[in-house]
Amino acid sequence: EDQVTQSPEALRLQEGESSSLNCSYTVSGLRGLFWYRQDPGKGPEFLFTLYSAGEEKEKERLKATLTKKESFLHITAPKPEDSATYLCAVQVVVLTGGGNKLTFGTGTQLKVEL
Amino acid sequence: DARVTQTPRHKVTEMGQEVTMRCQPILGHNTVFWYRQTMMQGLELLAYFRNRAPLDDSGMPKDRFSAEMPDATLATLKIQPSEPRDSAVYFCASGLATTPQYFGPGTRLTVT
Repeated sequence: EDQVTQSPEALRLQEGESSSLNCSYTVSGLRGLFWYRQDPGKGPEFLFTLYSAGEEKEKERLKATLTKKESFLHITAPKPEDSATYLCAVQVVVLTGGGNKLTFGTGTQLKVEL
Repeated sequence: DARVTQTPRHKVTEMGQEVTMRCQPILGHNTVFWYRQTMMQGLELLAYFRNRAPLDDSGMPKDRFSAEMPDATLATLKIQPSEPRDSAVYFCASGLATTPQYFGPGTRLTVT
């Protein structure tokens, strides 16, 4: 069974204090790993897709990296507006039929304080 | 700015009543997903469709939940009869085989 585990569950940072969020996964065959951001009362917002080990993607203060067992979301010099829940999800290789479905982790709730 | 839309945004109903949630996927997207989010379980996939045909509804309680796509611009999720344990936020998402899934704002359901 495909499993996605995110850590820590919650993280509190001071503005400017860089850190990393972890997403470890156990799947039969990874097709893609996705990062989403979710603000309270809203739907998840797409951030990145990573497809192969060694791949990196960047957007503003966020950088996502991927290995064969885990992904990291690095947050450099965070600001209060980066406060949100960050979700990762895996999409697995499916030999027949549909193959788009995602399995989500439970998320890391990030709070950035002044 | 293309977005997934969902109605209603909030629904409060009594146990035993029928609930219908609607979703308009992004124009051109051929895959539509229904998720449920709770504090305890996180985001769970209930069902999904490709080209309006159901591909997987294994995450859905079959006795009370049903999902349909009457046409390419409308997906519906029905609960009949509703129970308090169905209280959650229900999200619709749409995409293509080559794109991420894009989520709507959700329907917050409270069953009393």
